Amino acid sequence: GAGVSQSPRYKVTKRGQDVTLRCDPISSHATLYWYQQALGQGPEFLTYFNYEAQPDKSGLPSDRFSAERPEGSISTLTIQRTEQRDSAMYRCASSAGTLYNEQFFGPGTRLTVL
Amino acid sequence: AQSVTQLDSQVPVFEEAPVELRCNYSSSVSVYLFWYVQYPNQGLQLLLKYLSGSTLVKGINGFEAEFNKSQTSFHLRKPSVHISDTAEYFCAVRGGSASKIIFGSGTRLSIRP
Repeated sequence: GAGVSQSPRYKVTKRGQDVTLRCDPISSHATLYWYQQALGQGPEFLTYFNYEAQPDKSGLPSDRFSAERPEGSISTLTIQRTEQRDSAMYRCASSAGTLYNEQFFGPGTRLTVL
Repeated sequence: AQSVTQLDSQVPVFEEAPVELRCNYSSSVSVYLFWYVQYPNQGLQLLLKYLSGSTLVKGINGFEAEFNKSQTSFHLRKPSVHISDTAEYFCAVRGGSASKIIFGSGTRLSIRP
């Protein structure tokens, strides 16, 4: 696509529910990143994919968080048994490579857990 | 491990005045440095990056930054700001062979007419 898209743009859920966020990267991009951005803070790395492989998931805050990219294109981030502290903007970015290539960010999904 | 510090959470300036947004980093390895801008209700956009070579880096919209290894700084500057520069600015670092980028907490630039 022309840019990185994310859906939904806004999600309100109740504590304890599961949510799945979607990221559609730029079509030619091999690498895809997920970030969590709390209010008033910079984005914090969660995990990344190189095609289908997930070399680094060190930023996932707990085992309630998981991400997939089964066909090397669209990715989903799932949060199980949501908690109020999970409320944040979740940002996806894609790039053609890893080290030297610019990351292009999507508009984000604002998650609110009540 | 790498870290980034943006000491100023907000910077108010008058239109057409110069501005400097400060960024300091720490890293035990060689680094790549970035400035991103986030306009209201939009995603982050790359302003400029330092990978190697000249320490003075020019970016989009008239912004530039200077990499200072001895002071571990990468301050962002613009000689004359416009209302359209109102946004939040994030400094970021990537260290060595790591793929992930570490972001600072951001500086909100507000322009007064």
